Amino acid sequence: QKEVEQDPGPLSVPEGAIVSLNCTYSNSAFQYFMWYRQYSRKGPELLMYTYSSGNKEDGRFTAQVDKSSKYISLFIRDSQPSDSATYLCAISKTSYDKVIFGPGTSLSVIP
Amino acid sequence: GAVVSQHPSWVICKSGTSVKIECRSLDFQATTMFWYRQFPKQSLMLMATSNEGSKATYEQGVEKDKFLINHASLTLSTLTVTSAHPEDSSFYICSAAPGARTGELFFGEGSRLTVL
Repeated sequence: QKEVEQDPGPLSVPEGAIVSLNCTYSNSAFQYFMWYRQYSRKGPELLMYTYSSGNKEDGRFTAQVDKSSKYISLFIRDSQPSDSATYLCAISKTSYDKVIFGPGTSLSVIP
Repeated sequence: GAVVSQHPSWVICKSGTSVKIECRSLDFQATTMFWYRQFPKQSLMLMATSNEGSKATYEQGVEKDKFLINHASLTLSTLTVTSAHPEDSSFYICSAAPGARTGELFFGEGSRLTVL
């Protein structure tokens, strides 16, 4: 079983839609959860960094962690064409441990 | 945010030659940098952790003699793909964390290597 799994998509939504991106992980020892956005042929950029369970909001982005079900989500409100990218979830056991990335979900926001 | 610069952004080489990729942290010091490999539509695969002033830590299955890593200063790490072969063609990306939290990574733009 892979340590972190993510539906690769592609996911296509109309502009203005609410997008839900999800990952599951296998080991309850993971405590740090990140979301990265990667545009084509570019390096990823950090969107959200969260610790343990709960929600974290930053502008149009909300990260949600449910440790009881080992499920993490990223919600994008009022999606824009510029949000079209691949979204990678990432996990680590401690704040200084290596980071494990999910395979990424490809998102297209259609104008 | 912090800036990580990677060079070259793309390189084409003949089979059997060696290629060096540089990763620089431009506005912070990085005692640790990370090198990844990414195949099309796949996730980032951690190859090694580069430690300033000491040997790199390689992930299982990564040939350390094939992928030489040097972290000579707090702002520069290099990855050399030695005796490159077509199967080494890939997108190589480096990252560094400005602070102690390894999850807060800043990535370079990536280097696309094509071996003919």
